This record gives sequence, structure tokens and C-alpha cells, in this order.
Amino acid sequence: NAGVTQTPKFQVLKTGQSMTLQCAQDMNHEYMSWYRQDPGMGLRLIHYSVGAGITDQGEVPNGYNVSRSTTEDFPLRLLSAAPSQTSVYFCASSYSAGTGGNSPLHFGNGTRLTVT
Amino acid sequence: KNQVEQSPQSLIILEGKNCTLQCNYTVSPFSNLRWYKQDTGRGPVSLTIMTFSENTKSNGRYTATLDADTKQSSLHITASQLSDSASYICVVSYGGATNKLIFGTGTLLAVQP
Repeated sequence: NAGVTQTPKFQVLKTGQSMTLQCAQDMNHEYMSWYRQDPGMGLRLIHYSVGAGITDQGEVPNGYNVSRSTTEDFPLRLLSAAPSQTSVYFCASSYSAGTGGNSPLHFGNGTRLTVT
Repeated sequence: KNQVEQSPQSLIILEGKNCTLQCNYTVSPFSNLRWYKQDTGRGPVSLTIMTFSENTKSNGRYTATLDADTKQSSLHITASQLSDSASYICVVSYGGATNKLIFGTGTLLAVQP
């Protein structure tokens, strides 16, 4: 069982370039999300989706776009990369969009992005 | 303001010893509290999820406690192993939805032989 797969593992971009971070899960989870992790800060939610065709903004959405055309895939697009977007990006999925029950987030192993 | 604070920031212990990590939170309305383990260069992995009514929950050598009155949680690691070296992240859920999570900054644990 692969779980949550993220590609690429590492990426270097120049300011102004665009790219897509890929995320796929094989657990049939309805909820998927993107986080960024920066030194000295807790993970922060960028965008999330509660099912195919449904996306919404998180805490830090500016400069990022997402789409959810299938249950399995949830790509994150950087429209015009900026040095402030240098970070480690994690995709996570969960069986349920609600936290009333025991539904943990399953994380991928991250994409380390550097913008110069 | 919803906040999750963890202490200590970092900790070094000898293999075989026990340790306790702390998490204090000011989150409302509280849904559940989670502990995650994050190995270097990897994504976080869930250890426990505790709801309001649960005081203690174990996962092998990891035992989490929750005091909802004082808004404190602890993660106790028994008989530490080198593989326990990692960052331990406390996460509090509020408002009843998966997108409403507040992440602590983590405690970095190093277990030395």
C-alpha cells in the first residue's frame, strides 16, 4: 500500500517560474490537503478538498492553486514562484472530512522547494 | 487566539531512558488532540488521537494523556530507542472539521546510545 505519494522530492525554481507539485493517494480518502512547513512554525494549511470537484482555501492560500478532478489526485500549482515560497510542502489525506471521529491525517514525505 | 505550545523545544536522552513531552493549548471549541512523530526528511505519522472524554491513550511505548480542564497534554515515551529520535508534534482540532487543525512547532528528541 503506497499511501500518499508526492513528487518531486526536491525542486529548485527561479523567481517567476511556475510548477506543479503532485500528490496521489490510494486509500480512497475523501479529504486531501496541502501544508507548508517552515522552520520554527507549525504546519500551515494552504488548500484542502473534501471530495472530487470541491476545493477551498486554507490559512495561507495566496500564490497557490489547486484542483481535484479525481478522488486520488490533488496537485498544487505555484503560479509565479517567489522566494517566500521556499518551504517543505506536505500533502495529507484523511478518510473523513470531519474530526468528530478517529480519522488521522496520512502525510506524504514532502517536496522540498527552493526559490532563488 | 487559538494556540498550541510545546515544551521543551529539544531534548537529549540516553537510550533506554523515559521522557515526557508537554503540550499546552488554548483552542476553542476543542474537538480532539493528536500526537504525530516526524522523522527527519519524512512526513508526520499519527501516534494517537484523543477526544475530550479520553484521559489516556497508549500506542506501544508511547502513552498520551489529556487534561481537558487545564488544556494540557503529555506524551510519555518508555524505554527509549534510537529510532525514537524525531520531532514530536502536538496538533489540536477545533470546530469539528479536518481542515481546522492547529499544529505545534514540535519537540525535537535525540536519543543517544
